[in-house]
Amino acid sequence: DAKTTQPNSMESNEEEPVHLPCNHSTISGTDYIHWYRQLPSQGPEYVIHGLTSNVNNRMASLAIAEDRKSSTLILHRATLRDAAVYYCIPTDRQTGANNLFFGTGTRLTVIP
Amino acid sequence: KAGVTQTPRYLIKTRGQQVTLSCSPISGHRSVSWYQQTPGQGLQFLFEYFSETQRNKGNFPGRFSGRQFSNSRSEMNVSTLELGDSALYLCASSLGLLTDTQYFGPGTRLTVL
Repeated sequence: DAKTTQPNSMESNEEEPVHLPCNHSTISGTDYIHWYRQLPSQGPEYVIHGLTSNVNNRMASLAIAEDRKSSTLILHRATLRDAAVYYCIPTDRQTGANNLFFGTGTRLTVIP
Repeated sequence: KAGVTQTPRYLIKTRGQQVTLSCSPISGHRSVSWYQQTPGQGLQFLFEYFSETQRNKGNFPGRFSGRQFSNSRSEMNVSTLELGDSALYLCASSLGLLTDTQYFGPGTRLTVL
């Protein structure tokens, strides 16, 4: 399983963009990069995922480095509701293993 | 569409007892995964069930077991509870097709005294 490195914590002012980095230098060619987040007192929720190309959805954008050894989750305008722990999870879609290996994640604090 | 539901939400047990937790997946989802979350170890995968069969298993002792019913509802059981089993137990459901997006329930908070 690919290991990930994320900053333990980050802060952002409300309504400013946030870039959450993740290093996954041991990622394999078939691993997708998933991002989940966990709001206080809730279960994790899916944010976005990608393989090689940058991806956008209504919640965020995902920028994947050309060598795929790192990625960045971008929240375009942070809101107080975005305060959560964000997890970057490489996921092997070839083996059929439907389990997620969560690391320690990045705790995002949004300052009003 | 209703989300993943877990019952009970809170549970207090004593050492040596056993406990059964229940998870109802999103309608149409065939895969149910269980995770344990503790402050020290973070979120750890327990096991996954797909079409009533255990498909994957994490690195937990045999005291942790589970099953899935024909309607995809799942239960997990922990026998001979230890203090270290105090945790938030999360259930997630998905369609089950090669690491689909997983949808998590709110969890069951288990306290072992």
